[in-house]
Amino acid sequence: AQSVTQPDIHITVSEGASLELRCNYSYGATPYLFWYVQSPGQGLQLLLKYFSGDTLVQGIKGFEAEFKRSQSSFNLRKPSVHWSDAAEYFCAVGAHYGGSQGNLIFGKGTKLSVKP
Amino acid sequence: DSGVTQTPKHLITATGQRVTLRCSPRSGDLSVYWYQQSLDQGLQFLIHYYNGEERAKGNILERFSAQQFPDLHSELNLSSLELGDSALYFCASSEHPGNTEAFFGQGTRLTVV
Repeated sequence: AQSVTQPDIHITVSEGASLELRCNYSYGATPYLFWYVQSPGQGLQLLLKYFSGDTLVQGIKGFEAEFKRSQSSFNLRKPSVHWSDAAEYFCAVGAHYGGSQGNLIFGKGTKLSVKP
Repeated sequence: DSGVTQTPKHLITATGQRVTLRCSPRSGDLSVYWYQQSLDQGLQFLIHYYNGEERAKGNILERFSAQQFPDLHSELNLSSLELGDSALYFCASSEHPGNTEAFFGQGTRLTVV
């Protein structure tokens, strides 16, 4: 069965430090992978996506992610974290249900806190 | 602003009651997805509609149902509500059923008391 694992429930980094959020997936075919961010009381905003091609993808707000098929990983990175990045981050994989693709399977999320 | 509108934003109701959550997708999007976010289950896919037809079901209870209307808005109906149904319900839309980008609404927070 398809699944997504985000091993870190909560991460705290200092402002200006680099960030890496881990994501591992289990999927039988070539996955479609996404990172979403959710600020408190807000909906989910897409940071970046991987469908095919270059395994290093750039997203909004200075985020990037690298798809590593051999490790079944899609880790999210940012070189310098800003206080406004404090939020919850969700990794997701595109699933296949009954012939219709498009719905997503989400990880449990990683809550990011930023220290001044 | 994602362009996906969900109403109401908050809903408080009693056990045993029935509620309807509404979603208006982005202009031009034919696919609507419903998700439930709870502390214990995380984000779970409930159901997918495309151009008025049900395309896929996920972990949706039999007490829950949905439909998509000719104008493409969708409604999620939750009946015989239980305390455990308290959650944030998200609607997302995309242009078509392929794995293109899905845009999420702000969600409806349902509290069952």
